[in-house]
Amino acid sequence: GQQLNQSPQSMFIQEGEDVSMNCTSSSIFNTWLWYKQDPGEGPVLLIALYKAGELTSNGRLTAQFGITRKDSFLNISASIPSDVGIYFCAGLEGAGGTSYGKLTFGQGTILTVHP
Amino acid sequence: GAVVSQHPSRVICKSGTSVKIECRSLDFQATTMFWYRQFPKQSLMLMATSNEGSKATYEQGVEKDKFLINHASLTLSTLTVTSAHPEDSSFYICSAQDTFLSYEQYFGPGTRLTVT
Repeated sequence: GQQLNQSPQSMFIQEGEDVSMNCTSSSIFNTWLWYKQDPGEGPVLLIALYKAGELTSNGRLTAQFGITRKDSFLNISASIPSDVGIYFCAGLEGAGGTSYGKLTFGQGTILTVHP
Repeated sequence: GAVVSQHPSRVICKSGTSVKIECRSLDFQATTMFWYRQFPKQSLMLMATSNEGSKATYEQGVEKDKFLINHASLTLSTLTVTSAHPEDSSFYICSAQDTFLSYEQYFGPGTRLTVT
């Protein structure tokens, strides 16, 4: 099946630093989603991207849908301790795809923020 | 909006017993619900997709007789782990989707199952 390659696998940063993570795929996705998961909780949707080239912000978060529709990145500016968690990218196929409606997840990026 | 609940949040059961996990969409109608399994520090693994009123579609390698899924209404899906064994211990997460509005998935808080 399809796979998303998410990197880095983990990051250890100081509070106040900016963070960047990305996902790449060998296949095209029509929608890219970024989720954050806290320990023992379900993933929470951070940003949804629907159009190639789209750049969307949500507070300190910025995400972009790659122009080729095969990649996306998420930036977090001025990190704070509560940014700690696992961040997942997820791609959604377009209509007509065999997996339409299903999400393909990246492996996750574990973020640790030191005060 | 788009709140999904799961019950119970944690359950401990003895080997050989069955456990039912509920997933509810609280403020929207979920035409489709998904069940995932997650091992520590790993990504989510899709187990099955259920559409309201029809049989669930299971992913390859997932035993449908062991993981019974029922999606009887637009706000409720249940996952029953039958004859549980210690290797079934895991974090189970559901998500819900209102396909009339969008294909974004909203996740429940997860259920930690421990089989002793």
